[in-house]
Amino acid sequence: SQKIEQNSEALNIQEGKTATLTCNYTNYSPAYLQWYRQDPGRGPVFLLLIRENEKEKRKERLKVTFDTTLKQSLFHITASQPADSATYLCALDSNTGGFKTIFGAGTRLFVKA
Amino acid sequence: DVKVTQSSRYLVKRTGEKVFLECVQDMDHENMFWYRQDPGLGLRLIYFSYDVKMKEKGDIPEGYSVSREKKERFSLILESASTNQTSMYLCASRTSADTYGYTFGSGTRLTVV
Repeated sequence: SQKIEQNSEALNIQEGKTATLTCNYTNYSPAYLQWYRQDPGRGPVFLLLIRENEKEKRKERLKVTFDTTLKQSLFHITASQPADSATYLCALDSNTGGFKTIFGAGTRLFVKA
Repeated sequence: DVKVTQSSRYLVKRTGEKVFLECVQDMDHENMFWYRQDPGLGLRLIYFSYDVKMKEKGDIPEGYSVSREKKERFSLILESASTNQTSMYLCASRTSADTYGYTFGSGTRLTVV
């Protein structure tokens, strides 16, 4: 069955360091991969979308890589700040067209001052 | 600032009640979605709509129905609420899949007692 996995354990890092979150998937052929930020009790907020033929995408302090051979995406936050503390979700859009998206359960990030 | 607005942040309903969750978007998007989010699980799609008066079942439609009478409004209906429908409900809208992700509302935390 289609599966998307994010580390269920929280990630704790020190302010100023780079946070790296992982998203792995199996039995899926994604056309696009997305990353979202979600604060407690709130809806997810879209951050970045990367296409299957793109290896890397950047937005300010954020960088996403997408390796369709390894079936993995890495999400990096450089110079992390306490305000970056949140849960980060990855999501995959199918290449069969339409909006067939699967979401990961998310990884909680804590950035300590 | 573009928005998806859900009518209630918190709701408490009794088993067997009919429950209406309302969602309005101001982005003129054709596509609207209802997801539910439970701890440890990714977002799961209940229903979606590509156009006015059009609806498609998602992965977990049982016990739910939807209504889309106007482009900007998408309603989720729990025909007879049950305790296993206690969850966070998220409405979202989206334009084309290849450029941007979902815009989510703030969510409705529904408790069925």
